[in-house]
Amino acid sequence: DTGVSQDPRHKITKRGQNVTFRCDPISEHNRLYWYRQTLGQGPEFLTYFQNEAQLEKSRLLSDRFSAERPKGSFSTLEIQRTEQGDSAMYLCASSPQGGRTDTQYFGPGTRLTVL
Amino acid sequence: GDSVTQMEGPVTLSEEAFLTINCTYTATGYPSLFWYVQYPGEGLQLLLKATKADDKGSNKGFEATYRKETTSFHLEKGSVQVSDSAVYFCALGGSMGDKIIFGKGTRLHILP
Repeated sequence: DTGVSQDPRHKITKRGQNVTFRCDPISEHNRLYWYRQTLGQGPEFLTYFQNEAQLEKSRLLSDRFSAERPKGSFSTLEIQRTEQGDSAMYLCASSPQGGRTDTQYFGPGTRLTVL
Repeated sequence: GDSVTQMEGPVTLSEEAFLTINCTYTATGYPSLFWYVQYPGEGLQLLLKATKADDKGSNKGFEATYRKETTSFHLEKGSVQVSDSAVYFCALGGSMGDKIIFGKGTRLHILP
């Protein structure tokens, strides 16, 4: 069990540029989640997948954000035309099946800084 | 909507002191409750969880009991160590879908 991995760990970009983050969940975990954490706050839910199907999106996920999990394994989160307000830690988590009792395991996060 | 409220930090204690971090929640349905911990420079880790009323979660000397009547899930430890210095997040999940809703976090500093 190698844990959830995320790449890159840090990303600095200029306003208006597009960025893409990758998340590799724990092997055989069907559920994959994306959260965003800003300084001094707890993580906020963005979206989640059951295998390759995106089942829920938060209203925090504007049209500039898109997430995919094409083969039900790794996932990508793309932010188009980045804004300074997008600066945050982007966290990925996975769980075996989902549901109210399932534990979500978090990756180390990707810290995005938009200049 | 569902929400979690936890005591604001930072909390500063001396080593071997007793710790309580208060957490209350608002939720429809029957959520599971979690405490996650974030050590400096590391990712979020599950510390403990409880999935139904009156359950007690415990790990590494930390405990929390799911109290439905008071909608609380306070974190306690009898004797803290310097290595417990971290940010602690109370969270609920499963009440309205599968997302976890986190509190704002409580930063804990333990002095030797």
